[in-house]
Amino acid sequence: DAKTTQPPSMDCAEGRAANLPCNHSTISGNEYVYWYRQIHSQGPQYIIHGLKNNETNEMASLIITEDRKSSTLILPHATLRDTAVYYCIVLTGNQFYFGTGTSLTVIP
Amino acid sequence: DAGVIQSPRHEVTEMGQEVTLRCKPISGHNSLFWYRQTMMRGLELLIYFNNNVPIDDSGMPEDRFSAKMPNASFSTLKIQPSEPRDSAVYFCASSSRGSYGYTFGSGTRLTVV
Repeated sequence: DAKTTQPPSMDCAEGRAANLPCNHSTISGNEYVYWYRQIHSQGPQYIIHGLKNNETNEMASLIITEDRKSSTLILPHATLRDTAVYYCIVLTGNQFYFGTGTSLTVIP
Repeated sequence: DAGVIQSPRHEVTEMGQEVTLRCKPISGHNSLFWYRQTMMRGLELLIYFNNNVPIDDSGMPEDRFSAKMPNASFSTLKIQPSEPRDSAVYFCASSSRGSYGYTFGSGTRLTVV
């Protein structure tokens, strides 16, 4: 029940920007888009979230299209430690339903 | 803040035995969530509590699974009797109205042989 679609895997060169896309075409007007990542064997970690406007924090930037049907997570300068599975989630009520995510591999 | 604390980190048990997983949420967080992660099914929400009250347990797979939250600082997930297909990593997470999303614990890796 994830309501999102992500590519299963992506590669990115170390030091380059990693752009992770997500489609959420059935999102409702008051539903937030959240991004989490899970580094091997660890619990998922919150990255960023947004509703309509683009957001930026110390970890990443989130670009949401004007129609809110898709978004892109940007890691501006990917490092090897950013290798992880990245989950895009539409918050429904108070519950996060995780899909299969995108496995990002940062290549030296 | 020590974050969400789960114990044990690893548990190996024999089929048929009772297993109890424990979680201490972040102080001040009023929502607590139990997830299970396997290769086949990914991260599944099992149950969540709000102010110590179970709100939605529709993700609990069978009657062998039960969860309690006797107070704001402690929750348990119990499996009785355990089966090999229960082998997974079980995560606990907590949140509050003012927090960004959930904070997850490090998980308990359960192996039932």
